[in-house]
Amino acid sequence: EPEVTQTPSHQVTQMGQEVILRCVPISNHLYFYWYRQILGQKVEFLVSFYNNEISEKSEIFDDQFSVERPDGSNFTLKIRSTKLEDSAMYFCASTRQTNQPQHFGDGTRLSIL
Amino acid sequence: AQTVTQSQPEMSVQEAETVTLSCTYDTSESDYYLFWYKQPPSRQMILVIRQEAYKQQNATENRFSVNFQKAAKSFSLKISDSQLGDAAMYFCAYRSNNNDMRFGAGTRLTVKP
Repeated sequence: EPEVTQTPSHQVTQMGQEVILRCVPISNHLYFYWYRQILGQKVEFLVSFYNNEISEKSEIFDDQFSVERPDGSNFTLKIRSTKLEDSAMYFCASTRQTNQPQHFGDGTRLSIL
Repeated sequence: AQTVTQSQPEMSVQEAETVTLSCTYDTSESDYYLFWYKQPPSRQMILVIRQEAYKQQNATENRFSVNFQKAAKSFSLKISDSQLGDAAMYFCAYRSNNNDMRFGAGTRLTVKP
């Protein structure tokens, strides 16, 4: 069964540095998402992306964050000037239609030192 | 804004017994989707079951079933014949038509042998 894949599985970055989290959604999916889960807390929606543009974003998704689909397969989340509180698990998800469940990747654990 | 509430931070069940996890949500929309996701210690997000709000019939997937009460905005998950592998965090999630997904805080389920 096709899967959403995320790389790397664990990213360690110095505070203030930029980080790019990568996701390869399922190939025939059209809607893409990023979520964040701070350790021990609930999963929080960050952003949804469709037709090469952001369709929805949460209050968490400020100017520090950006998303991009640089080619036909990758979907990236960039965090500029990382802060300690950006340490979390970041999940990518995708779906073909909005009335279908989202398929999640295994997540990238981001640790900011 | 839609909110999802899981009032049970932790639940425990004896192997082979039945357990019910509670979820309530707040929305002004009439058309939406509800999900239960399982997050084992490996941190993956695994879809357990989904329910379309326009369907009156409660969804069932093998040992997992829901009790969807639309008027009460309640969406509980029943796990029958609990197995050790069911031990995980369970997140209730709401998705509106604009595709924004909101998660509850989660319920940690322990299964006792």
